[in-house]
Amino acid sequence: ETGVTQTPRHLVMGMTNKKSLKCEQHLGHNAMYWYKQSAKKPLELMFVYSLEERVENNSVPSRFSPECPNSSHLFLHLHTLQPEDSALYLCASSPSGETIYGYTFGSGTRLTVV
Amino acid sequence: AQKVTQAQTEISVVEKEDVTLDCVYETRDTTYYLFWYKQPPSGELVFLIRRNSFDEQNEISGRYSWNFQKSTSSFNFTITASQVVDSAVYFCALSVRDNYGQNFVFGPGTRLSVLP
Repeated sequence: ETGVTQTPRHLVMGMTNKKSLKCEQHLGHNAMYWYKQSAKKPLELMFVYSLEERVENNSVPSRFSPECPNSSHLFLHLHTLQPEDSALYLCASSPSGETIYGYTFGSGTRLTVV
Repeated sequence: AQKVTQAQTEISVVEKEDVTLDCVYETRDTTYYLFWYKQPPSGELVFLIRRNSFDEQNEISGRYSWNFQKSTSSFNFTITASQVVDSAVYFCALSVRDNYGQNFVFGPGTRLSVLP
């Protein structure tokens, strides 16, 4: 266990399904992140929640919708995904929105869209 | 441009060999941080080291060592006497400040396979 727990570990969904990824941390961190890791591509930052303020990468399609109900929990709601959205989705947290402290990453959710 | 290059896509070594993973970065910032992360098959990225741009001292931690050379914009990582458990993907990352606040720019990663 890394301190950041992601569920489920694996998810297969059809293009018309709606599902959610969950991330939980009890490290007392104030910032949480969603990253997408596709084959042969650099890790891509999707969303940041820092001190409850949301910042997003404008290139992320609207079929991905984050939710951060409190500083310990982060969700990524998925709907009408495409096969190219298949990837490893990593959640991370940090003490603040500053990278100098490094991030603690979860083990990821391996998503397959069929 | 803010960019991290890891030219080695995959490296295979035999156990007990030394191996160096290369990282070259580009940044317009005068103050920045560089990181190495390890991603084992379990998926999570594990923090290995952080280095700030003002500290060019090389660092050694057990079998791991890092060589930071600002003149060549490189931050290379050496594993001495490699072990099978070192098999993983290793990412070099640069902290940047962009439209999304402070963020990482990750390199594409180097997959290291240590064979018994």
